[in-house]
Amino acid sequence: AQKITQTQPGMFVQEKEAVTLDCTYDTSDQSYGLFWYKQPSSGEMIFLIYQGSYDEQNATEGRYSLNFQKARKSANLVISASQLGDSAMYFCAMRFVSSGSARQLTFGSGTQLTVLP
Amino acid sequence: DSGVTQTPKHLITATGQRVTLRCSPRSGDLSVYWYQQSLDQGLQFLIQYYNGEERAKGNILERFSAQQFPDLHSELNLSSLELGDSALYFCASSVTGRTEAFFGQGTRLTVV
Repeated sequence: AQKITQTQPGMFVQEKEAVTLDCTYDTSDQSYGLFWYKQPSSGEMIFLIYQGSYDEQNATEGRYSLNFQKARKSANLVISASQLGDSAMYFCAMRFVSSGSARQLTFGSGTQLTVLP
Repeated sequence: DSGVTQTPKHLITATGQRVTLRCSPRSGDLSVYWYQQSLDQGLQFLIQYYNGEERAKGNILERFSAQQFPDLHSELNLSSLELGDSALYFCASSVTGRTEAFFGQGTRLTVV
């Protein structure tokens, strides 16, 4: 069964510093996708970054980068130069084939990031 | 703005009632997913539709049903509501199911 584990319920970081949010996953599939989403207090889910299991290079999107270590089954999110607006809940998710060609996301429990001024 | 529109944003209803949540996917997206986010269960996949057909089912209760219409919008019907159904319900869409799933702002359902 597919499983996503986020071991940090809460994290604090000083403004302008970098922070790493941990994510490990468990799957026997060879083809899968890894996602990070941000959920601010207002509730919406904002897509941040995607990494495919066959992608050889780590994904980057602006201040977000994904440290993908396939052998370790980890997909940590790195946020550089933290801003106050980065304070939010962050979810790691994995897309897998559930049946036939159907795909769905399974989510971790989330990490609440607080950026301190 | 993700381009996925959910209505209503908030809904308060009594136990035993039935409600319908609506989702308009991003233009061109054929896949629609429904998720439930509650404090005790976290984010749970409910159901997926692709171009009008049910494609995958997750932890969806028998009291819940969904459909996707020819114009690709989707509705999630929740009936015989219980206090435990109070949650944030998200719709997400993607082009084929292979690409990034973009989420709507969610419908916050409160059952009293």
